[in-house]
Amino acid sequence: RKEVEQDPGPFNVPEGATVAFNCTYSNSASQSFFWYRQDCRKEPKLLMSVYSSGNEDGRFTAQLNRASQYISLLIRDSKLSDSATYLCVVNFDRGSTLGRLYFGRGTQLTVWP
Amino acid sequence: ETGVTQTPRHLVMGMTNKKSLKCEQHLGHNAMYWYKQSAKKPLELMFVYNFKEQTENNSVPSRFSPECPNSSHLFLHLHTLQPEDSALYLCASSHLAGGNNEQFFGPGTRLTVL
Repeated sequence: RKEVEQDPGPFNVPEGATVAFNCTYSNSASQSFFWYRQDCRKEPKLLMSVYSSGNEDGRFTAQLNRASQYISLLIRDSKLSDSATYLCVVNFDRGSTLGRLYFGRGTQLTVWP
Repeated sequence: ETGVTQTPRHLVMGMTNKKSLKCEQHLGHNAMYWYKQSAKKPLELMFVYNFKEQTENNSVPSRFSPECPNSSHLFLHLHTLQPEDSALYLCASSHLAGGNNEQFFGPGTRLTVL
């Protein structure tokens, strides 16, 4: 079973649309959660961390449901520049081993004019 | 952006060649990572170094040999690779090792093994 599962998409939406991505993780001991963004042929970059209470950064809202082991990312008022692959990322520590990140395959988003 | 740099950006090598990938971070971080990104697959962690000490080897074949001479530099030495090793190799760094520290990625080296 994969540690982190995402719908790979692609999602194709018009400018101004609202789009939501979902992600599930397998390890209930996971401690930290993130969304990274990766543009075509570029490196991943942190978009936002995800907190238990949910958090918002401008047009982006992230939610975490620990009971269901589910993470979501909502993008409102989509812009052309939002076109990218969105990576769901989860961390958990294993005893004395320092925490490591587990990446999902990513969800591809294309915003069209 | 020059926080984490990687060279070369592209590399084509035969299965009998020996080559090295280089990563340098200018962020004052103490942890550095190598990841492999293959098409249609998630990023796979390969190695973790924390304060120059290797803290994780994620069952990587011995044809990949990492070296971390100091906290700012990380190398990946390649020897007798296979075509299935063709991928994007990404270096990352963070303040400390541990998943709750934001990782900053370099642009990657796109490797093709013939």
